[in-house]
Amino acid sequence: QVQLMESGGGVVQPGRSLRLSCAASGFTFRRYAMYWVRQAPGKGLEWVAGIAYDGSNKYHGDSVKGRFTISRDSSKNTLYLQMNSLRTEDTAVYYCARDRLTTVTWGPIDYWGQGTLVTVSS
Amino acid sequence: SYVLTQPPSASVAPGQTATITCGGNNIGSKSVHWYQQKPGQAPVLVVYDDSDRPSGIPERFSGSNSGNTATLTISRVEAGDEADYYCQVWDSNSDYYVFGTGTTVTVL
Repeated sequence: QVQLMESGGGVVQPGRSLRLSCAASGFTFRRYAMYWVRQAPGKGLEWVAGIAYDGSNKYHGDSVKGRFTISRDSSKNTLYLQMNSLRTEDTAVYYCARDRLTTVTWGPIDYWGQGTLVTVSS
Repeated sequence: SYVLTQPPSASVAPGQTATITCGGNNIGSKSVHWYQQKPGQAPVLVVYDDSDRPSGIPERFSGSNSGNTATLTISRVEAGDEADYYCQVWDSNSDYYVFGTGTTVTVL
């Protein structure tokens, strides 16, 4: 069965860095586009970043552009989100998510991890 | 940037029909996906490409999309349908996913 397991969340001071990981299993990871979506406490869903199935294209939302970087290592079946210059407004649960379709980007998301909480606070 | 607007809340009695709208400029030209999220859980895809249902999603969930409004309809509402619902599209102009503001469905 498809599983996505995020790790790396925690409490961090403003201005510091954190790297999230998402271990994928139960499917051919290298064939699917992947995404990070976050949800601030009590708020709605916000798309953060996406990466093509082969890593050839990466996309980042306006609120994180220049600070966050999405990447993937298909030899390890792992998705990453490098978060630099963190701000208090980056506090959220971060979800790793998979596209429903193989080899395309921007399809519907059919699998989500359970999320990892990042708290940015001094 | 592209904006999707949903009503903040909707209340419905068990057995009745819940209708959730998602407004966006010419949204009818885009593929709309809908997610259900219960408290403390990850979202679940309930409708994709305007009106298709993933396997395992009851037929009670249906969708439509035309003009400036997409709609998620939940027929014969059950207590277990109480959740937040989000619409989503891909904005090709910016290469962004856009989520709607979310609607909390309360079953009376």
